[in-house]
Amino acid sequence: AQSVTQLDSQVPVFEEAPVELRCNYSSSVSVYLFWYVQYPNQGLQLLLKYLSGSTLVKGINGFEAEFNKSQTSFHLRKPSVHISDTAEYFCAVSPRRQKVTFGIGTKLQVIP
Amino acid sequence: DGGITQSPKYLFRKEGQNVTLSCEQNLNHDAMYWYRQDPGQGLRLIYYSQIVNDFQKGDIAEGYSVSREKKESFPLTVTSAQKNPTAFYLCASRSADYGYTFGSGTRLTVV
Repeated sequence: AQSVTQLDSQVPVFEEAPVELRCNYSSSVSVYLFWYVQYPNQGLQLLLKYLSGSTLVKGINGFEAEFNKSQTSFHLRKPSVHISDTAEYFCAVSPRRQKVTFGIGTKLQVIP
Repeated sequence: DGGITQSPKYLFRKEGQNVTLSCEQNLNHDAMYWYRQDPGQGLRLIYYSQIVNDFQKGDIAEGYSVSREKKESFPLTVTSAQKNPTAFYLCASRSADYGYTFGSGTRLTVV
C-alpha cells in the first residue's frame, strides 16, 4: 500500500517571499503524483500533476513541483506568494490504476 | 462547463435521522468517490464506484450507504448508525489521467 507524508502542517510566509511545501511518499510501484488546493469551505482543485516525462511540473497560479524518484519526494514551490495563495494544500499519490491516497494537508498562511 | 454539483451546501441532521447528500456530474467520468473531511485528518474515503450499478466500501464505510443507478449520480446516505456524522463531505470523479474533480462540498451538522 502507498502512503503520503506532508511534513509541515502549517507554513507561514510573508507576501512576495518564496515557499516550498514538502511531500514524501512511499510505494512499491510506479505512481502518479498530484497537488490540490482547497480554499475555505470549498472543494479541492487540481494544481498540477506528474504522470511521466519531465520531472519538473508546472501548474496553475504560478506553482511548480519537482518529482524526485530517489528521494521519493514531490515538493511544491512558488517563487513569490500572494495573499490569495492562503489555503490548504494536499499532496496525493496514486499507483497506476488504483485509488488515490491523500496527505493530511499543509495550511499555507501568507502574511501581509 | 463540466463539473460536479453537490447539494445541499449545508445540512442539519437530528439524532436518529437518515439524510441523503446529492452528487451529480456532467463530466462523463466512470469513477466517483465520497470523502469525509475532518480538521487535521485530511480526506478519508467512504465509498467509491468505478462503474454504474457497482460500488465498493472505502476506509470508513460504517454508517453510510450509496447507490449508483446512473453514471451521472452518486448519492450518499448518512444513516442513524453513523454516530459522529458532523463533518465536511466531498464528492469527486476521476478522469482518465487519474486527476480528480471535486464538488464544492456539503457541511453536515448534527443538531
